[in-house]
Amino acid sequence: DVKVTQSSRYLVKRTGEKVFLECVQDMDHENMFWYRQDPGLGLRLIYFSYDVKMKEKGDIPEGYSVSREKKERFSLILESASTNQTSMYLCASNELTGYTFGSGTRLTVV
Amino acid sequence: AQKVTQAQTEISVVEKEDVTLDCVYETRDTTYYLFWYKQPPSGELVFLIRRNSFDEQNEISGRYSWNFQKSTSSFNFTITASQVVDSAVYFCAPEEDDKIIFGKGTRLHILP
Repeated sequence: DVKVTQSSRYLVKRTGEKVFLECVQDMDHENMFWYRQDPGLGLRLIYFSYDVKMKEKGDIPEGYSVSREKKERFSLILESASTNQTSMYLCASNELTGYTFGSGTRLTVV
Repeated sequence: AQKVTQAQTEISVVEKEDVTLDCVYETRDTTYYLFWYKQPPSGELVFLIRRNSFDEQNEISGRYSWNFQKSTSSFNFTITASQVVDSAVYFCAPEEDDKIIFGKGTRLHILP
């Protein structure tokens, strides 16, 4: 089975800090995604990547950037964390058969 | 742009009742995939089904069934004889351009 691992389950950061959320998948998938989930809003796509060093903006990229230096790793970066970025962040990878999600990182910005 | 409407924000039913979760989507593609995911209280997203838009046959998997109507852009999900373990948030998600876009989800409560 494909495994998508997010390095932290819970994270608390201060306003203005630079935050890295890491995601690693172990099945050589080309495509990787970052979503955030907020109550009543479902999952919204932040960024995605179809290959190493490639990135595409999703629906809500403002305040975020990403890095894909290796195929298996897709990092989400909050350059200067703000309280409105407090959320659950979910990473996913996919190939022909479907999508696999990590267990999520619950980020609180104080 | 894609749009997904899950009109039911929250549903409560008594155990053993049948329940249908509605999903209506918009897409510009003629060929696409549709997904349903379950998110139990533990938070992980559990894959339920992936359906190609070419295939309009209804799908049944145990107590779960899906009704896909391309003409009305709907992909409804029915749980038969619901159980408490079915309590979760359920997301409908069409895929377009190799990425899936989620609806806001329907929170389902199965009451014992």
